[in-house]
Amino acid sequence: AQSVTQPDIHITVSEGASLELRCNYSYGATPYLFWYVQSPGQGLQLLLKYFSGDTLVQGIKGFEAEFKRSQSSFNLRKPSVHWSDAAEYFCAVGFYNQGGKLIFGQGTELSVKP
Amino acid sequence: NAGVTQTPKFRILKIGQSMTLQCTQDMNHNYMYWYRQDPGMGLKLIYYSVGAGITDKGEVPNGYNVSRSTTEDFPLRLELAAPSQTSVYFCASIIGGGAGGELFFGEGSRLTVL
Repeated sequence: AQSVTQPDIHITVSEGASLELRCNYSYGATPYLFWYVQSPGQGLQLLLKYFSGDTLVQGIKGFEAEFKRSQSSFNLRKPSVHWSDAAEYFCAVGFYNQGGKLIFGQGTELSVKP
Repeated sequence: NAGVTQTPKFRILKIGQSMTLQCTQDMNHNYMYWYRQDPGMGLKLIYYSVGAGITDKGEVPNGYNVSRSTTEDFPLRLELAAPSQTSVYFCASIIGGGAGGELFFGEGSRLTVL
């Protein structure tokens, strides 16, 4: 079955430490890949997306993600976390000609320690 | 541009009541979506629309109805509310449906059914 998996429900990192959030998908074809961030009480905001080409993509707020076809993964990274990065992060996949629908992972909640 | 606007932001319903969640966008987007978000479950697609007069079911459509009489508006109707419909509802839109574009989200509507 098609699925998007974020294995980590909750991650805590210290401010200034590096961050990696994992995302794996299970589909026959290579989908379009997205990372969204949701601050408490807010809607979702796009961090970055991958369609094709360079497998390392840069996003807003200093985030980047790397697409690894062999591992069906699209992990999100940030070299140095700021307290304001505390939020919930969602990985999502979409396919061309499917009405722009996105399938979301379960989400990873990030807490940042001072 | 206001983007995607949802009303109400909060609502408490009694079992069996009905209500409509309103969603409007001022970006002239063709495609619109309704998602529900439950803790630990990510976002699940309820219904979507690829243009005025056209709607289709998503992953979890039971208990809901939609209509799309204009490009701007995409209301979600809950008939005979049940506790299982307690959730946060997000409306989203995108300019085209080929995937790859950015979904713009509203701030959400938190519904509690008692």
